[in-house]
Amino acid sequence: GQNIDQPTEMTATEGAIVQINCTYQTSGFNGLFWYQQHAGEAPTFLSYNVLDGLEEKGRFSSFLSRSKGYSYLLLKELQMKDSASYLCAVRGASNDYKLSFGAGTTVTVRA
Amino acid sequence: DSGVTQTPKHLITATGQRVTLRCSPRSGDLSVYWYQQSLDQGLQFLIHYYNGEERAKGNILERFSAQQFPDLHSELNLSSLELGDSALYFCASSVGQGGNNEQFFGPGTRLTVL
Repeated sequence: GQNIDQPTEMTATEGAIVQINCTYQTSGFNGLFWYQQHAGEAPTFLSYNVLDGLEEKGRFSSFLSRSKGYSYLLLKELQMKDSASYLCAVRGASNDYKLSFGAGTTVTVRA
Repeated sequence: DSGVTQTPKHLITATGQRVTLRCSPRSGDLSVYWYQQSLDQGLQFLIHYYNGEERAKGNILERFSAQQFPDLHSELNLSSLELGDSALYFCASSVGQGGNNEQFFGPGTRLTVL
């Protein structure tokens, strides 16, 4: 089975940095995705990691350590529009194409 | 706009009824995935189709079924509806099946069972 854990809520100030951690225990591993979801809207893709290390995309970066079953999403220079839920998702074995999602971390950005 | 379309946007029905949710993937995408998102369960994978064939099944109830048609659109059929089936149902599509194939999500169908 798949077990994916991330904190339920985080609060940060506009302009600050927030790090959202995700730990996973899965049967097989074929990549980790981060999605952003605003309330009532569709998830939108942020990043993909399959090898260890840091992937940077503008204000967002994602890190993966496969040996530790750990990832984080780093949001820099926070803006009010970054208030949303952030979903960590893992693709299991190579012949298993589904994504298993964590419950999501709700980030609230305050002025 | 992801390019994935879903209809209807909202659906209100009664227990015991049957509904059909429709999804059109992005142009060129062969894979369609269905997910259920309820308040207490997060985003749950239901089923995956690739080029018309079922490829993976998740926690999909026997009362639910899906198919992907030759034009690649997909339908999710929910029958004998129960109160607990009230949720957001998302369809996602991707070009291929695995690897770094990003899944693009549609706007969802909000189902309310009364």
